[in-house]
Amino acid sequence: GAGVSQTPSNKVTEKGKYVELRCDPISGHTALYWYRQSLGQGPEFLIYFQGTGAADDSGLPNDRFFAVRPEGSVSTLKIQRTERGDSAVYLCASSLNGAASRIPLSSYEQYFGPGTRLTVT
Amino acid sequence: QKEVEQNSGPLSVPEGAIASLNCTYSDRGSQSFFWYRQYSGKSPELIMSIYSNGDKEDGRFTAQLNKASQYVSLLIRDSQPSDSATYLCAGFNAGNMLTFGGGTRLMVKP
Repeated sequence: GAGVSQTPSNKVTEKGKYVELRCDPISGHTALYWYRQSLGQGPEFLIYFQGTGAADDSGLPNDRFFAVRPEGSVSTLKIQRTERGDSAVYLCASSLNGAASRIPLSSYEQYFGPGTRLTVT
Repeated sequence: QKEVEQNSGPLSVPEGAIASLNCTYSDRGSQSFFWYRQYSGKSPELIMSIYSNGDKEDGRFTAQLNKASQYVSLLIRDSQPSDSATYLCAGFNAGNMLTFGGGTRLMVKP
């Protein structure tokens, strides 16, 4: 079946501009995650959605970053007043379930989309 | 100190050899561990999951977890040049996020 998709694949923007990054998770996956990966480093957690609600946004670096998932499927990561330090690959992942409960542990496995490479000039 | 530590490498092994990739973690609340493979310019691809102490084998891959020592490893048997990539170790805890190490770059030489 179809995997996680992300658009755009590349985004170049000028410092101070607003950008939106989109993620379409695997069909039926209730949990959706955003991560950010800088060159030579592992992905860093930004925000986690269970259904429509942001269950954990502790990884968002500041209030310029915001994400929504209004219908519990597609999510949009929004970055206001972009800065050069925001340049990175933004990765979206989804899993069947996210909440810790008595369900198969394999349902927590996260599958990543291809990412959006954001460059702020 | 990072919560998940990996040697950045590169780890160089000859084709056909066993590659051993290691990871240590500091959060005893981490319940499960995952190994992702990441080719240059691509996104992470899940290759192994391990949820309990001991070994888990899948094809040429064996994951090992030792919660007492807070240690996770991935063995790749009969390494192939196509295995050359960065391998990311990640821990999953009740916070529902993955905490990644910095990755180990593996080079398999023909």
